[in-house]
Amino acid sequence: GAVVSQHPSRVICKSGTSVKIECRSLDFQATTMFWYRQFPKKSLMLMATSNEGSKATYEQGVEKDKFLINHASLTLSTLTVTSAHPEDSSFYICSARNTAPPNEQFFGPGTRLTVL
Amino acid sequence: QKEVEQNSGPLSVPEGAIASLNCTYSDRVSQSFFWYRQYSGKSPELIMSIYSNGDKEDGRFTAQLNKASQYVSLLIRDSQPSDSATYLCAVLPFNQAGTALIFGKGTTLSVSS
Repeated sequence: GAVVSQHPSRVICKSGTSVKIECRSLDFQATTMFWYRQFPKKSLMLMATSNEGSKATYEQGVEKDKFLINHASLTLSTLTVTSAHPEDSSFYICSARNTAPPNEQFFGPGTRLTVL
Repeated sequence: QKEVEQNSGPLSVPEGAIASLNCTYSDRVSQSFFWYRQYSGKSPELIMSIYSNGDKEDGRFTAQLNKASQYVSLLIRDSQPSDSATYLCAVLPFNQAGTALIFGKGTTLSVSS
């Protein structure tokens, strides 16, 4: 199957710092990438949809100024958590949809963020 | 509001048995259907996709789609303890760039040895 990489896999930072997470589709092009957040034993929560070359679409309740998304190419999207606080600690997972049919969607391995 | 429903489980089956996971969806015009497996603490992994009515087999996995009944299922034959995970049903309402998958809340499967 197609591969989506995500870096870093784990990050611990101090409150108030910014953290950047990279998501790459390694062997396919992805016009659309998605960012999810998941708390322990809870369902996936879609944060935003990122389309290459355009602004991201954020889900209701997700602060666009706090979670900055850039989708600069067909293989790379980044999520920056700005001024992180302990309540931002979570498992962040990106997902990329293959531009080519049948347009399957693949997930990266996730980034576990801990804000102290 | 478009919805995808799954029984949360846990579904418990003995090793070697067939596990049957079910999913219903509300949007009749949905076109694409997916099953993901998620182990605890890991990200979801795509295991099956299905687009046409009927069965689709891949190894021990069979996906079944019935668009008239708005029903998707996943059968796992010869279940193994390593199949113990949460299985997520996902539906793509229409195939347009930027459309997000709609996920069910997942069914937890436990396979006992």
